Amino acid sequence: EAGVAQSPRYKIIEKRQSVAFWCNPISGHATLYWYQQILGQGPKLLIQFQNNGVVDDSQLPKDRFSAERLKGVDSTLKIQPAKLEDSAVYLCASSLESGHRYFGPGTRLTVT
Amino acid sequence: GENVEQHPSTLSVQEGDSAVIKCTYSDSASNYFPWYKQELGKGPQLIIDIRSNVGEKKDQRIAVTLNKTAKHFSLHITETQPEDSAVYFCAASIRGTYKYIFGTGTRLKVLA
Repeated sequence: EAGVAQSPRYKIIEKRQSVAFWCNPISGHATLYWYQQILGQGPKLLIQFQNNGVVDDSQLPKDRFSAERLKGVDSTLKIQPAKLEDSAVYLCASSLESGHRYFGPGTRLTVT
Repeated sequence: GENVEQHPSTLSVQEGDSAVIKCTYSDSASNYFPWYKQELGKGPQLIIDIRSNVGEKKDQRIAVTLNKTAKHFSLHITETQPEDSAVYFCAASIRGTYKYIFGTGTRLKVLA
């Protein structure tokens, strides 16, 4: 069974630029999550989708972050404009309904 | 708000010795406690979990114990091997939901 795919794996941008991350969940998983993992910390949930609807985006900084999951499969997370404090690993995970999370390898973002 | 504290932040053990990582949670309604292992450059992978109606669960060299009264749970790894070296995260569900709060992680080094 293929795992959660993410791209790119690494991204370096300057502050105030925009960036987008892509995630392809495990086939058949209805629930998709985006987490932010700052160095030395545990993952923090940014947004959770159930199929193509948002279940929870309470921790998403909506003034600069946006996410969508068209057709209930792939998802993109965008940051515009980026700040220095956005430097982190962005993890995508998926699950059957709200069960075990299967995480992708993450995208390491560096904002200079 | 809900919080999960994890100790120690780093742990070095000799190969073959045991390792114990402890977490304390604040939400008395938490009822699900997963443990994740994160290797360098990879996303977290679920290694064991426990529900609040169980006091202990074991899977080969890994065990988890839960003390609901004290609101803490621990990961025990016996007969450690170099491949156990990784960062380990505990997590606790929030208010009986499937949302998780993650601990800050423990970097385990198994010395050969």
